[in-house]
Order: sequence, then structure tokens, then C-alpha cells
Amino acid sequence: DVVMTQSPLSLPVTLGQPASISCRSSQSLVYSDGYTYLSWFQQRPGQSPRRLIYRISNRDSGVPDRFSGSGSGTDFTLEISRVEAEDVGVYYCLQGTHWPWTFGQGTKVEIK
Amino acid sequence: EVQLVESGGGLVQPGGSLRLSCAASGFTFSTYWMGWVRQAPGKGLEWVAYIKIDGSDINYVDSVKGRFTISRDDAKNSLYLQMNSLRAEDTAIYYCARARGVYWGQGTLVTVSS
Repeated sequence: DVVMTQSPLSLPVTLGQPASISCRSSQSLVYSDGYTYLSWFQQRPGQSPRRLIYRISNRDSGVPDRFSGSGSGTDFTLEISRVEAEDVGVYYCLQGTHWPWTFGQGTKVEIK
Repeated sequence: EVQLVESGGGLVQPGGSLRLSCAASGFTFSTYWMGWVRQAPGKGLEWVAYIKIDGSDINYVDSVKGRFTISRDDAKNSLYLQMNSLRAEDTAIYYCARARGVYWGQGTLVTVSS
């Protein structure tokens, strides 16, 4: 199975400051159709996960533009340009290229 | 508005069975892959199974192969997960999700315990 490794696992951030989460895969996530199925999800406390980013860098509808994704091959990053209070939660990367699709361990974002 | 509503969770003894349902609305159900994702209490996410359009392709994570069956009824806009030979480690919130997770339901809790 493809192992997705996130870092850091805990991320205390000051309001208004940027935050960055790394996700590395144990093998390339480029699918046979040429797309890279790497997504990012936010799970606020007590809520279902919500997809923020798909195929590395595409923001889902309604996602604030302070969230951005980047990367290629096996190294990917989620960035929050200016953290707001509503961004508190756990963030997961997901690879949807190789079955079984696998998530990273999760990164808990909290306000300092 | 896209809605996914799971039901069917509950407390079951080890070795028992449960059937989860997911009622979909707000989109053309028959034209999308669907899947089930679970989250053990206080833990991360695990993609359990997916089913393609028309059930043309189905896949399961190894830990549930031979015990769980995913199916869909496009006429009823519904997704199902038949879970047999349940184990304590199957205890989790089970989420229904569209495609690779663009939409999620609120989840239904399955507890396997004697």
C-alpha cells in the first residue's frame, strides 16, 4: 500500500500567520491518465471531513483562497496564507491513485 | 444541494452483521463513483471500499475483503455496505462519500462489542 506521511502532526499557529503542512507519498501518485490524485481534507471538531483541494492544487467550490496546494510526484504541500480561528481542526492528505486509497495520519492545527 | 445521509449503524456483537445505507440527493447518483470511508474513535481516516458507475468495478481494502460487500441501487439513489463477521476493530464512524471524497455524509456509528 502507498504510505502517506504528513508533517508536522501538530501545528500551533498564531492567528493571521501562515501555516504549511507537508505530505509525502511512498511512490509516485501520477495515474495512467496523467493526473495526480492528491487531495487535502479538513475535519473540524465533531464534523465530517470536507475536501479543500483536489489533484494537487485545485480548490473546491466555496473554499477560501487562503488555502492552496502545490507539489508533484511524491511531495505535496498545503498552505494556509493567514490562519483564521475557523481553520482549527485536523488536515489529511489522500492519495486516490493507487488502490487502496490512503490518507496521511493527519495534522492537528490549533491556535497558539 | 448535494446530500448524503447514512443510516443503519448501531451496536452489534462480534461475528454479527449490519447493513449500512446511504441516501443520496441533489445530483445524478447513477453517474458517480461512490465509496465508504471509516474513522475509528479518535483515529484517522480509512477508505474501505468504492463502487464505480453501474457497479462495473468494485474494490475493498484488505482488512474487509470477504466480509464486507458494497452495492448500489441507482433507481433508489442509494449506496449500501453489507458488513458480516464484524470484529471489534471494525468499530468506527462510517461515512458515505461521492467519488474521491468531494462530498461526505454525516456518518453512522458502528460499535462491535459484546
